[in-house]
Parts: sequence; structure tokens; C-alpha cells
Amino acid sequence: DVKVTQSSRYLVKRTGEKVFLECVQDMDHENMFWYRQDPGLGLRLIYFSYDVKMKEKGDIPEGYSVSREKKERFSLILESASTNQTSMYLCASGLAGAPSTDTQYFGPGTRLTVL
Amino acid sequence: SQKIEQNSEALNIQEGKTATLTCNYTNYSPAYLQWYRQDPGRGPVFLLLIRENEKEKRKERLKVTFDTTLKQSLFHITASQPADSATYLCARGATNKLIFGTGTLLAVQP
Repeated sequence: DVKVTQSSRYLVKRTGEKVFLECVQDMDHENMFWYRQDPGLGLRLIYFSYDVKMKEKGDIPEGYSVSREKKERFSLILESASTNQTSMYLCASGLAGAPSTDTQYFGPGTRLTVL
Repeated sequence: SQKIEQNSEALNIQEGKTATLTCNYTNYSPAYLQWYRQDPGRGPVFLLLIRENEKEKRKERLKVTFDTTLKQSLFHITASQPADSATYLCARGATNKLIFGTGTLLAVQP
């Protein structure tokens, strides 16, 4: 079974803090994704990566950056956390090829609260 | 723009009945539609993928249809059980990403 793990299930941070969310997958997948999920808005893509050191902006990249130094690990960084970044963050991975067609495997999510 | 629309109202049904969830899309037909299940506080789990040229796909008690004329996919759960209660997400492909609907909450009453 594919396993995608995220570093924290719950996280509470203060406004202005730098926040790191880590994601690790164990299936040698090329593609990795970061989403946020908010009530009524569904899943929105923040960034994705199709290879080590490669990244592409999603629909809402502002205020976020990412890092992929190793194939299995994809990190999401909030440079200066703000209250409007309070959300559920979900990481996903998938095989190489068009992300639009391939199954994505999700981690359990990190519920981030920014005070 | 390409959108996925799912009924935001919860669907309540009795155990044993068939649940039918609707996913409508805009603009051109995607090559694929995917369905995921999401339990509270957890990440979505992939259930089924249906291609544009497939009218219907089945997996155990699940059935998905793809109607390019109506621009719609229907997701059926037959002989529903309380354990089927969850939010079901539909997703379509776009350039380099999936576009997800907001999901429909299904509640199966015992």
C-alpha cells in the first residue's frame, strides 16, 4: 500500500512565524502535491513537483513556497504565517505522467491554526 | 474556466438503499473523471477512475457513469451501509493538475 505521511496532524502557530510542513511518501512516486482544504472551497492546489528540485505553482501559491530535495520528501513552507492560512493542508503523491489523469494518494492532513 | 460542481447539500438515505451522487463539469469533457472518498479529519482516498470513452465502471458495490452529452458523472453505491457515510469528491483533469469539486456528504441512516 502507498503510504503518505505528514509531519504533524495538528499545529498551532503565531502570526509571522515561519512554518514547515513535511510530507514523505514511500512509493517512489515522481509527482507530489500540496493542497489546502477549506469548507465550501474544496481542495485547492498550492504547489506541485514532478521531480526532485522541480516545482510548479498551483492555483494559490501566494504566501507559500516549497522544497523538494529528495524524491520522497516534499516540504511546504509558510514564510510568514497569517491567520488566513489557517486551514487543513493535504499532501498527495502520484506516479509520473499527467497529474490530471493519474490517481493521487493523500496523506492524513495537517490542521494548521494560526493565531 | 473548467469547473466541477457537486451538490453541496448532504444526501441522507436509509441503509440498504442505493445512494446516487452527481458530479457536473463545465466546458470540454475531461479525458478522465476520478472519485474519492474522504472521512472527517482524513485525506481523500481514491475509489474509481472512469475514462471519457467508458460509459460505466464498477467496483464491488460502486458504480460510476460518464455522460458526455449531459456533462455529468453519477456515482452509485448500492446496498448502502452506515459505514459508507463520508464525503465523496469528484475530480477532473486539467493541465498538470486535478480540479476537485467541493464534495457531497453522504449520511446512511441505520
